[in-house]
Parts: sequence; structure tokens; C-alpha cells
Amino acid sequence: NAGVTQTPKFRILKIGQSMTLQCTQDMNHNYMYWYRQDPGMGLKLIYYSVGAGITDKGEVPNGYNVSRSTTEDFPLRLELAAPSQTSVYFCASSYSIRTGNTIYFGEGSWLTVV
Amino acid sequence: GQQVMQIPQYQHVQEGEDFTTYCNSSTTLSNIQWYKQRPGGHPVFLIQLVKSGEVKKQKRLTFQFGEAKKNSSLHITATQTTDVGTYFCAGPAGNMLTFGGGTRLMVKP
Repeated sequence: NAGVTQTPKFRILKIGQSMTLQCTQDMNHNYMYWYRQDPGMGLKLIYYSVGAGITDKGEVPNGYNVSRSTTEDFPLRLELAAPSQTSVYFCASSYSIRTGNTIYFGEGSWLTVV
Repeated sequence: GQQVMQIPQYQHVQEGEDFTTYCNSSTTLSNIQWYKQRPGGHPVFLIQLVKSGEVKKQKRLTFQFGEAKKNSSLHITATQTTDVGTYFCAGPAGNMLTFGGGTRLMVKP
């Protein structure tokens, strides 16, 4: 099993450009998440999904969009990139959020907006 | 909404010294999870605590869940350089997992 796979690992964007961070998991998890982590800071939830076709906003959704057309994939779209979106982005998945289920993280995508 | 706070934010220790990080939630938790993130890496699950007053050990790491299920702690005995990283606690809130701000541990050899 590959677990949670994110691409790209590194990307530099110019202000106003758009891009999509790809995320796929092969563990048949229902729940998927996107977090961002600013340097030296904690994890902030951007969006999450509890199953295919269902998405919901987290703590910091502004400037981002997501879709969940399949169980495996949960891409994160950045529209009109801004310097404030410079961060490390982590995709994660879990079977559920109930007791006994843990979150598995991808290796992260380092994004710089200049 | 639910808030999860961790203290301290940073801790420098000499190798061999003990280390403790504390986690407090604004609401009662059904469970609490701990993750470790090495520098430049991604968070990795360490352990989950479910029962009130629960204590679990992993080698030199001791995890506690408070009686009221609103706080937790992670204690590392005799730190080693391999313990370097940021330790996060996390608690469920609806369909989300809320993470504390983390405690960054630095160990001087």
C-alpha cells in the first residue's frame, strides 16, 4: 500500500495563478482532509470530506476549493494564489473519526507564492 | 467551536533530561490522539487514549488522559536526540479532528 500520496511535492506559484494539489489514498478510507501548516505553526483544517460527493469547510477554507468524485481522490484547488497561501499542505485520510480510527498523512506539498 | 491548546510552544532540553507537553481542550473529548512530526516531515500517529484517567506507555513515552477527559499530557523520560520534533495532540469535533498548536522539542546532545 502506498498510503496517502500527494503531488507535487514542491511548487512555486506567481500571485494570481491557479493550481491543483492532487491527493490519492489506497486504503479505502471514507474520510479525507486537507490541512495547511505555516512555518513553525500547527495544523489548520482547510476542507474535509466524509465520503465521495460530500465535502465541507474546515477552519480556513477561503481561497480554496475541493471536490470528491471518488473515494480515492481529494484534490485541492487554489484559485488566484496569494502570498498568504505560502505554506505546507498536508492531505490526510482516515476510515472514520470515531474512536479507534487514526489519521494518516501524506508527505506534504511545499507551496510558495511569489 | 472546540479549541485545543498545548503548552509549552517550545522546549529546549539537554539530552537525558525529561520533557513534558500538556494539552487542554475547551470541551470534553471522546478520545485524544498524539502525533509526532519530525523536522521537514509529516505528522505520524503515536497513540490514542479513550478512557478517563487512562495511562499508556511506549518505551520512554508516557501518555495520560485526564479524569474529566479535557486534558492530556505526554512525558518523555531521558530524552534522546531522536526525540526531536513537534508533538501534537488532537481531539475529535464532529467530523473533524482539531489539532493543538504543538510543542516543538529540541534536544541538545
